[in-house]
This record gives sequence, C-alpha cells and structure tokens, in this order.
Amino acid sequence: AQRVTQPEKLLSVFKGAPVELKCNYSYSGSPELFWYVQYSRQRLQLLLRHISRESIKGFTADLNKGETSFHLKKPFAQEEDSAMYYCALRNAGGTSYGKLTFGQGTILTVHP
Amino acid sequence: SQTIHQWPATLVQPVGSPLSLECTVEGTSNPNLYWYRQAAGRGLQLLFYSVGIGQISSEVPQNLSASRPQDRQFILSSKKLLLSDSGFYLCAWNRNGDTQYFGPGTRLTVL
Repeated sequence: AQRVTQPEKLLSVFKGAPVELKCNYSYSGSPELFWYVQYSRQRLQLLLRHISRESIKGFTADLNKGETSFHLKKPFAQEEDSAMYYCALRNAGGTSYGKLTFGQGTILTVHP
Repeated sequence: SQTIHQWPATLVQPVGSPLSLECTVEGTSNPNLYWYRQAAGRGLQLLFYSVGIGQISSEVPQNLSASRPQDRQFILSSKKLLLSDSGFYLCAWNRNGDTQYFGPGTRLTVL
C-alpha cells in the first residue's frame, strides 16, 4: 500500500530564510507526486507536481526515487508562504482514477 | 469554467443525529468525485470516490456513506453521527485522473 509521510507537523522560519518541507513516500509502482497548499481562508489548491519540473511561487521539489522523497524547498521564505502544505501521491495506473494519498500536512509559519 | 460547491459551510450536530453533506460541480461532465476528511492532527483521508452515477467506492470502513444521484452531485451521509465524525470534509473533482480541484469544505462538529 502507498504511504506519504510528512514528519514535521509545524515548521517555523524567519522571512528570508531557506525553508524545506519534508515528504517521504512508499509506493510499489511509479509514483506521481504533488504538493498542495491551503492558505488561510482559502481552498486547498495544487502548488506543483513533479512531472512539471517547474518553480511555483519560488518553490521547487525534486523527486528522489533513491531516497523516496519529494521535499519542497524555497531559498528565501516570505510571510505570504505561511500556510498548510500537503504532500500527495497519485496512483498512476490501473483503475485508480487518480486517487490521491495525502501526508499528514505541515503548517509553515514565516515570521517577519 | 468549472466550479465546485459544498453545502453547508459549517454544521453542529448532536451525537446520534443524521447527516447529509452536499457537493455539486458545475461546468464539466462525468467528473470523478471524491470525499476527504481533514481531522485534527491526521491530515487528509480519502473516504469515498465515484467515477459515475451510482458508482461509489469506499476507502475506509466507517460510519459514513456516500451517494451520487446525479452526474455532478455527490452526497455524504450518516444515519447516526458519532463524536469521531467531527472534522473538516472536503469534496474534490477531476477528469481522467488529472489534477484534483477542491471545494471550500464543510466544518462538522458533533457534540
């Protein structure tokens, strides 16, 4: 069975500091990994996906199959980055219809 | 463009009472629909998903059930609520296994 682990429930950094939100997964097939974000009073929304290999709002995430990780990174955190972040894994094949398995979430707080 | 709605936004119910939460999607047809629960300290857990009218798959055994009476309507129900049913319920949709789009959620408190 697939599993997504986000070891940090809470993460606090100061504005301008680098930030890394950790995500590890276990999956027997070829995974598709995502980061979702939920800002205060807003809906949960997609931040980025590993197949896109893009930087969104300064965030990047690299899929490391050897370490089964998909950590989210940003070199200089901003106060507006404060939010709940979820790492998610998608069942890529079979009849999964795109179901997502989410981690427990990490609340990021960026202090001024 | 597509939008997803959830009703109600908040709900406070006594233990043992019934539950009905509604999710509707506009601007698309034949979406895959999902119900998640976001419980404190436990992250997002997939409860049910549906790939078509009347087709429901349950991910975890629980006190809840789901139904899809129409193509773009997904309902989460319970006959008798438990305290442990409290949480934040999110509905989501996608097409063809693509990105999931989430609704605004329903905050359920069972007293």
